[in-house]
Amino acid sequence: DAKTTQPTSMDCAEGRAANLPCNHSTISGNEYVYWYRQIHSQGPQYIIHGLKNNETNEMASLIITEDRKSSTLILPHATLRDTAVYYCIVKTGANNLFFGTGTRLTVIP
Amino acid sequence: DTAVSQTPKYLVTQMGNDKSIKCEQNLGHDTMYWYKQDSKKFLKIMFSYNNKELIINETVPNRFSPKSPDKAHLNLHINSLELGDSAVYFCASSQEGTGRDTIYFGEGSWLTVV
Repeated sequence: DAKTTQPTSMDCAEGRAANLPCNHSTISGNEYVYWYRQIHSQGPQYIIHGLKNNETNEMASLIITEDRKSSTLILPHATLRDTAVYYCIVKTGANNLFFGTGTRLTVIP
Repeated sequence: DTAVSQTPKYLVTQMGNDKSIKCEQNLGHDTMYWYKQDSKKFLKIMFSYNNKELIINETVPNRFSPKSPDKAHLNLHINSLELGDSAVYFCASSQEGTGRDTIYFGEGSWLTVV
């Protein structure tokens, strides 16, 4: 699975959009980009995933660049409950996830 | 109606003891996992089982032995517990697919070895 690079931490004002970047320059054609988050003292939670096209669900939007070497997770209206560590993971068909250090997002009132 | 449930949530035990953590999923998934999150918050895969067969076994001491009585259960047995085993252990499950599968995690079991 390709390696990912994320900023260590970010702050976001409550109610504003949180944009979390991820670099995955060695991604291969059959690898998906997944985003998970871990709220303090809870298990990791799936957010969204995509292959080439931008994706949107009730939680977030995922923007993948045309060359697929980077992506951005967008939380459109961040709330205090979105404070968590966000993991960007690139994976193939293998049924496992390798977590990096992620981005610690702090939503500020 | 928890999808992936694990018990106990908290466990404090002495060095040298043998303990088990149980995990059950009601999602009908065919793949289950155990992950370990240490004090530095690194989350690492330990084991992966598909239809009761071991698929992944990362570098884990053989004191750790997963057991899958059926595809809805994956229990973790730990023998001769050591201080370094103190961590949060997460069970998870997914349905094998083509990379689009989503992995669902339990709420974790906090193990403290004293």
